[in-house]
Amino acid sequence: KAGVTQTPRYLIKTRGQQVTLSCSPISGHRSVSWYQQTPGQGLQFLFEYFSETQRNKGNFPGRFSGRQFSNSRSEMNVSTLELGDSALYLCASSGGQGPYEQYFGPGTRLTVT
Amino acid sequence: SQQGEEDPQALSIQEGENATMNCSYKTSINNLQWYRQNSGRGLVHLILIRSNEREKHSGRLRVTLDTSKKSSSLLITASRAADTASYFCAICLGGDDKIIFGKGTRLHILP
Repeated sequence: KAGVTQTPRYLIKTRGQQVTLSCSPISGHRSVSWYQQTPGQGLQFLFEYFSETQRNKGNFPGRFSGRQFSNSRSEMNVSTLELGDSALYLCASSGGQGPYEQYFGPGTRLTVT
Repeated sequence: SQQGEEDPQALSIQEGENATMNCSYKTSINNLQWYRQNSGRGLVHLILIRSNEREKHSGRLRVTLDTSKKSSSLLITASRAADTASYFCAICLGGDDKIIFGKGTRLHILP
C-alpha cells in the first residue's frame, strides 16, 4: 500500500497570509490526525478527523482549522499566519476509530517570513 | 501537562550496547506507543502496549509498562548505527483517545 502523502513538502509564506496543507491517508484508513512539530514545543496535536467529523481537537487558536472529505483525504488551513506558525506539519492516518498506531507522512515544512 | 515525558533527553552509547529510555505520564491511558524519527524517514511507529499489558517485544525492542507508576521504558538491545534517531513516547488518553507525544529522547550510536 502507498503510504501517507502530504503536499506540498515545503512552503514559504508571509505573515498575514493563509495556507492550506493536504494529506492523503493510507488507502482504507478513515482517521487522520494533524500535528505541529517545532524544536521548542515538540509534537503538538492539532486535531483528528474520522469519517469527515472532527473527533478531537488540541489547544490551538481558531486560526487553525481542518476538514476531511468523503475519500478520507484531509486538509488543514491556517489563516492570518504568524511567524510562530513556522513548523513541520505532520499528518498521520490510522486504521480505525480508536487508539490504534498511526502512520505518518513526511510532513510539510512551513516557513513564515 | 498530559504529555509523556521522556528521560533522558539525550543519550550516546557505543554500537552494540543496549539503550534504555523512559517515559512518565500523569493521567490514565488506553495505551502507550513508541515512535522513532530520523531525518531520512520521518516518524515511524515502533510498538504499542495496551494499559492491561506489562511487557511487549518486537525484534530488538522491548517495552514495559507500569500503570501503577505511570511509566514505560523502551529497551533497544545490541544497538546499531541505524538506531540513531529521536524516540518519542505517545500516550493515548483514556476517555477521548487523544494521542499526546512527549518531547523525545535523542539517541546517538557511536561507532
